[in-house]
Amino acid sequence: AQKITQTQPGMFVQEKEAVTLDCTYDTSDPSYGLFWYKQPSSGEMIFLIYQGSYDQQNATEGRYSLNFQKARKSANLVISASQLGDSAMYFCAMREANYGGSQGNLIFGKGTKLSVKP
Amino acid sequence: GAGVSQSPRYKVAKRGQDVALRCDPISGHVSLFWYQQALGQGPEFLTYFQNEAQLDKSGLPSDRFFAERPEGSVSTLKIQRTQQEDSAVYLCASSSPLGLGSPLHFGNGTRLTVT
Repeated sequence: AQKITQTQPGMFVQEKEAVTLDCTYDTSDPSYGLFWYKQPSSGEMIFLIYQGSYDQQNATEGRYSLNFQKARKSANLVISASQLGDSAMYFCAMREANYGGSQGNLIFGKGTKLSVKP
Repeated sequence: GAGVSQSPRYKVAKRGQDVALRCDPISGHVSLFWYQQALGQGPEFLTYFQNEAQLDKSGLPSDRFFAERPEGSVSTLKIQRTQQEDSAVYLCASSSPLGLGSPLHFGNGTRLTVT
């Protein structure tokens, strides 16, 4: 079973509007962290926002916020006031605290391609 | 300070050739990861170093893949006898300290094309 599922291969949003990118995850570890990364066409993975499994409040970072619904195992990224420069691939990732292998490894979803229309 | 640096940016290899991909992590970062990203996919874990010790190589797809980090800083990913299925972007990431909420800092990647 996939650990991270991003069901939207592509999304379009009008400039200045808000958009939600979906992410669901699967883990039996009670302690985990969820990350969102942006990958523009240049290829670099840019860290956007982090949410810990024990965090009581949804994470926010500028125009980015994370809609964390623990019972549903979802961690959707909300981008407010979209800009043309937001056009990129967006990846959701998870780190499990008690993963038996590589400590700190991030498991990524397949990504969502966001296109912002002027 | 400088970010994670990878070279070369692009590499074209003929099938059967050996290639070496270099990663220069952020200075002082103890943890170093290699990922493979196929076209249209998310990055997939290859291997992990803590300083010079390779603690996990469970993601390396075959024994043709070899990684090293002899002095705990620069790392090299070597692929022997390249095959077409090795064509991908190879991403390097570093972090320190490595806690649950520590993001990985990625380089721009090396795009390998095997012809």
